[in-house]
Amino acid sequence: AQSVTQLGSHVSVSEGALVLLRCNYSSSVPPYLFWYVQYPNQGLQLLLKYTSAATLVKGINGFEAEFKKSETSFHLTKPSAHMSDAAEYFCAVRTTGGGNKLTFGTGTQLKVEL
Amino acid sequence: DAGITQSPRHKVTETGTPVTLRCHQTENHRYMYWYRQDPGHGLRLIHYSYGVKDTDKGEVSDGYSVSRSKTEDFLLTLESATSSQTSVYFCAISVGSNAPTDTQYFGPGTRLTVL
Repeated sequence: AQSVTQLGSHVSVSEGALVLLRCNYSSSVPPYLFWYVQYPNQGLQLLLKYTSAATLVKGINGFEAEFKKSETSFHLTKPSAHMSDAAEYFCAVRTTGGGNKLTFGTGTQLKVEL
Repeated sequence: DAGITQSPRHKVTETGTPVTLRCHQTENHRYMYWYRQDPGHGLRLIHYSYGVKDTDKGEVSDGYSVSRSKTEDFLLTLESATSSQTSVYFCAISVGSNAPTDTQYFGPGTRLTVL
């Protein structure tokens, strides 16, 4: 079965600092991986997705993620944090067995401080 | 905007009462999903649908039923609500060519409180 683990339920960075949100996956088949962002009282919005076309994936709002098979990781980064990046971030993996289902991680709350 | 609406957006109900949440999409996407979001658990799949009258269980389906009589509507029913079903419920649709790379788009959510 496919699963993802997000290390760190809360991450705090200073404005302008590097953002690094960690996601490790477990999958018996080549995975399809996704990062979503959720702003307060809203639904989830896709940031980026890994579809095996390229290991470095660029997304919206300056975020990117690198797929590393040797480390079973798909960490999300942004070079310089902005106050507007404060939100909850979810990593997800496509689940096998039909239905185009996703299995989500438990989320990481990002706080950006002045 | 993926054209997904959920109703109601907020609901407070009492233990033992039936509750139905509605998800409506404006486009004819095949796959629709219901998730619940709880602190420390992320999003967990309750049920999903792959067409009219075609539904299947997800990870946390106990106590929930669904129906899809029209392509655009996917209903989630709590037959007898319990306090453990207090949560935020999200509907999602899958957009693409029915491939693993398809993207799920989410509705705004329904906050349900069971007293």
